[in-house]
Amino acid sequence: NAGVTQTPKFQVLKTGQSMTLQCAQDMNHEYMSWYRQDPGMGLRLIHYSVGAGITDQGEVPNGYNVSRSTTEDFPLRLLSAAPSQTSVYFCASRTGSNNSPLHFGNGTRLTVT
Amino acid sequence: GNSVTQMEGPVTLSEEAFLTINCTYTATGYPSLFWYVQYPGEGLQLLLKATKADDKGSNKGFEATYRKETTSFHLEKGSVQVSDSAVYFCALNTGANSKLTFGKGITLSVRP
Repeated sequence: NAGVTQTPKFQVLKTGQSMTLQCAQDMNHEYMSWYRQDPGMGLRLIHYSVGAGITDQGEVPNGYNVSRSTTEDFPLRLLSAAPSQTSVYFCASRTGSNNSPLHFGNGTRLTVT
Repeated sequence: GNSVTQMEGPVTLSEEAFLTINCTYTATGYPSLFWYVQYPGEGLQLLLKATKADDKGSNKGFEATYRKETTSFHLEKGSVQVSDSAVYFCALNTGANSKLTFGKGITLSVRP
């Protein structure tokens, strides 16, 4: 059982470039989300989805887009990368129950120069 | 709104020492409470959880009790090991589709 798979593991971008961080889960989870982790800031929610075709903004959505065309996939798009988006990005999923824990991928470390 | 406050870190302990990591919360409704652990270079993974007042979650020697009267969920372990060195996050969730709210995390280093 693969769980939550994120690709790539590492990425370096130049300011202004765009890219997509991939996230896939094989647990048939309804809920998926993207967080960024920065030193001293903990985890901050970027976007989330409660099911295919439904997405919503989290705390820090600016500069990022998401879509949820299937239950399994939840890609995160950086439209025009900025140095402030240098971070470690985590995708996570869970069932719809509030007692259900989040399952995290291993993260993508992004550097924007 | 919901919030989670963790004690300031980092924390450095000797092997076999007793560990307490404080966590308090503010939430509307009746939250479920979680502790997550992040080992170096990895994503977060669930350590333990409690879903109602006075519940005790436990795993790998760690324990935390859901205290509604003090709005707390402190993490304890009687004897830490070097392998427990990691970042620990307290978190809460108040509804089926609500977002998980995390504390800022605390780094634990255990020396031999």
